[in-house]
Amino acid sequence: GAVVSQHPSWVICKSGTSVKIECRSLDFQATTMFWYRQFPKQSLMLMATSNEGSKATYEQGVEKDKFLINHASLTLSTLTVTSAHPEDSSFYICSARVGGAYGYTFGSGTRLTVV
Amino acid sequence: DAKTTQPNSMESNEEEPVHLPCNHSTISGTDYIHWYRQLPSQGPEYVIHGLTSNVNNRMASLAIAEDRKSSTLILHRATLRDAAVYYCILRGGSQGNLIFGKGTKLSVKP
Repeated sequence: GAVVSQHPSWVICKSGTSVKIECRSLDFQATTMFWYRQFPKQSLMLMATSNEGSKATYEQGVEKDKFLINHASLTLSTLTVTSAHPEDSSFYICSARVGGAYGYTFGSGTRLTVV
Repeated sequence: DAKTTQPNSMESNEEEPVHLPCNHSTISGTDYIHWYRQLPSQGPEYVIHGLTSNVNNRMASLAIAEDRKSSTLILHRATLRDAAVYYCILRGGSQGNLIFGKGTKLSVKP
């Protein structure tokens, strides 16, 4: 089945630094990638939708200058958390629509801890 | 977006069947019923989906009520590895994304 590889699986960074999370579609082309954020004991919330070759669409309340999304190719989308703060600590998950029987496939998630 | 209602949590014993219910009384005629699950510290994974007829795959079965206002995900023999949060989802959001509710946290006891 379609696989999205997400890296890193966990990262610890200092306040004020930036962190990049990568999601690669391994055996299919992902024209659209969804980025979710999940706080402890809560459900997944969509942050933004990235489309290959165009600007990302951000959900209300998500700062586009803080969460930079790049989708420069059909197999790679990146999320960069800039000037990270402890409140950005969360579980970040990417997802792509694959259609067919499986619908959507998800990355394994990135646990970000900002200290 | 159509709303789903699931119990917050359920418990099961290992090797026994588990029936996870989902109510979706506002479902439209074209809405597929999707089930995904999320194991601890992992991204969600596809379980099963259906429209009107009951569906079976290697992971589970999906029983859909005749009026489609409810459905039940059936795990035939729960294992410890089935402990996860199970999400019943009807349709995507405005960007074509899945919209996740709180889901049902399934605990499996040995």
